[in-house]
Amino acid sequence: AQSVTQPDARVTVSEGASLQLRCKYSYSATPYLFWYVQYPRQGLQLLLKYYSGDPVVQGVNSFEAEFSKSNSSFHLQKASVHWSDSAVYFCALSPASSGSWQLIFGSGTQLTVMP
Amino acid sequence: DMKVTQMPRYLIKRMGENVLLECGQDMSHETMYWYRQDPGLGLQLIYISYDVDSNSEGDIPKGYRVSRKKREHFSLILDSAKTNQTSVYFCASSLWGNERLFFGHGTKLSVL
Repeated sequence: AQSVTQPDARVTVSEGASLQLRCKYSYSATPYLFWYVQYPRQGLQLLLKYYSGDPVVQGVNSFEAEFSKSNSSFHLQKASVHWSDSAVYFCALSPASSGSWQLIFGSGTQLTVMP
Repeated sequence: DMKVTQMPRYLIKRMGENVLLECGQDMSHETMYWYRQDPGLGLQLIYISYDVDSNSEGDIPKGYRVSRKKREHFSLILDSAKTNQTSVYFCASSLWGNERLFFGHGTKLSVL
């Protein structure tokens, strides 16, 4: 069965610090992978996606993520966070080979950026 | 203006009452989704619709049904709501597959 695990429910960092939010997936083949962000009282918005090719993908607002097949991971990174990055971040997987368009979401990581 | 609109934003119902959650999109997207979001569980797919009258169950369809009679409109119906259906419900749409989902702001449903 496919699954997505975000091991850190909450992460707190200082403004200007670097950030890594962890995501591990379980899937027998190479999946499509996504990061979405949810700002307070809003719906989710796509940050970036990985389908194939270069394992490092760039997204909006200087976020990037690195796909690792050997580690079954897709960690989100940012070199220098801003207070406005405070939000909930969701990693998601699409089982590419199944023909389904379902997205399987992790439980999310609440990011708090301290001024 | 690319938008997914959900109505209402907040809803309080008593157990056993019927609930209708409505969702509209202005992007002519073929695929639409209903998810529920619960603390610590992330988003769980209730139903996916590939086009008008072409709906498939997601992971947790029990207790829910959907209706899609127009491409831009997708409804979620709870017949005889239960307290464990208290949650935040999100509607989403996508142009092609799940390349990029556009989400509404959500409906917070409380079943008392």
